[in-house]
Amino acid sequence: AQKITQTQPGMFVQEKEAVTLDCTYDTSDQSYGLFWYKQPSSGEMIFLIYQGSYDEQNATEGRYSLNFQKARKSANLVISASQLGDSAMYFCAMREFNAGGTSYGKLTFGQGTILTVHP
Amino acid sequence: SAVISQKPSRDICQRGTSLTIQCQVDSQVTMMFWYRQQPGQSLTLIATANQGSEATYESGFVIDKFPISRPNLTFSTLTVSNMSPEDSSIYLCSVVGGFSTDTQYFGPGTRLTVL
Repeated sequence: AQKITQTQPGMFVQEKEAVTLDCTYDTSDQSYGLFWYKQPSSGEMIFLIYQGSYDEQNATEGRYSLNFQKARKSANLVISASQLGDSAMYFCAMREFNAGGTSYGKLTFGQGTILTVHP
Repeated sequence: SAVISQKPSRDICQRGTSLTIQCQVDSQVTMMFWYRQQPGQSLTLIATANQGSEATYESGFVIDKFPISRPNLTFSTLTVSNMSPEDSSIYLCSVVGGFSTDTQYFGPGTRLTVL
């Protein structure tokens, strides 16, 4: 079963506007972590933001925020005040933990969303 | 954050040859991983590089094809052996720990093309 689902293959946004990239996940674990990465055309994977399953507040990092809705198993990325340089592929990923509760470190990735920012 | 470098950044190789990719981190890290990203696809974990012991491979990946070394807490290599065009991918090193386990960083990747 697919563990991470990104239903938007592509998204368009006007410069300076906000955009939400969707991510839903599937796990029976109580302890897990959710990540968002940006991949520009150069191919590097740029870490954006992290949300732990026990974190009560939504994570924020500058213009990035994570809308974490645990009951709905969603972890949407919100980018405020979009910039032309935000145009890239965005991946949502989930980290699994081993039976001892320590991080196993394996990330399972969604299929990604291509974001295009228009001037 | 950790600074991760990979060598080479890209290469074009002939079928049947092997390529060794290096990953160097500027600080000691707990865990190191190797991922593959095939063209137009998402990332898939190849293996966990364990310091001083054999790597732990994911289903579908074997040591004979992707031998991995990790001699210390800052360095690892991945070899792609007996290459075929299907091995054309971006290979990325990833690290956890040493700074924060809430983050996981990736190297810049090695873009491999096999002819």
